[in-house]
Amino acid sequence: SQQGEEDPQALSIQEGENATMNCSYKTSINNLQWYRQNSGRGLVHLILIRSNEREKHSGRLRVTLDTSKKSSSLLITASRAADTASYFCATLTSGSRLTFGEGTQLTVNP
Amino acid sequence: NAGVTQTPKFQVLKTGQSMTLQCAQDMNHEYMSWYRQDPGMGLRLIHYSVGAGITDQGEVPNGYNVSRSTTEDFPLRLLSAAPSQTSVYFCASSYSIGPYPYEQYFGPGTRLTVT
Repeated sequence: SQQGEEDPQALSIQEGENATMNCSYKTSINNLQWYRQNSGRGLVHLILIRSNEREKHSGRLRVTLDTSKKSSSLLITASRAADTASYFCATLTSGSRLTFGEGTQLTVNP
Repeated sequence: NAGVTQTPKFQVLKTGQSMTLQCAQDMNHEYMSWYRQDPGMGLRLIHYSVGAGITDQGEVPNGYNVSRSTTEDFPLRLLSAAPSQTSVYFCASSYSIGPYPYEQYFGPGTRLTVT
C-alpha cells in the first residue's frame, strides 16, 4: 500500500485563490518531499521538509509537517493557471525506499 | 550538466520480448531509482540503488532486473515483456545523507507499450 496518501484527489479553484492539499503517511520519516508533475512530463521537486521542521516556505509555497499526526500540507497561495498540475508527496518507507502517493490533481481556472 | 537522461523515449514491444531501458546521470548522485506510472496513478517504485554495486527491490520488482556497475548508470531490464508492463517509466537520482535520499531529479520518462 502507498505510504503517502494525498487528499483531495482533485481540486478545482479560480486564479488568485489559495490551494491546500494534504498528505498522510504511516511510518516514521526522516523527511517528506513534495513534487509537481505537469501532464506528460517528469516530476519536479518543489520542497523538502525534515522531520524536525514544522513549517517551510518557498516563494508562494508553504509546507507544514505534523509528525504527531503523521501528516503534511502544501499550500499554494495566489494560484495561477500555470499551477495546474498534479502534486505528489513522497516519504521513505522501509530502508531507503522513497515512495509516492497517488497525487492531487489541481486545476486553476483563469 | 545533462541531469538525468533516459533512452529510449518511446518503445513498443511484443509479449515475451526483452529489452533494457537506459538511465544515466552526471551529478555524481549515489541514489538512483526506477518508477513506473500508470495512467492517472502515482509512481510505484520498482528498484533502487544507494550506490554502485548495491541494489534493492521496491514495491513492484517482479519482471524487472537492475544492476549498478557505475555511479552514473542504472539500467532497467525487462526480462519477458507482458502487457501489464505497459506504462511510463521514470528514472530518478539524488544525493543521500546516510540511508536517506533527498531531492529527486527525474528523467523525462520512457513510454513503453507491450502488445
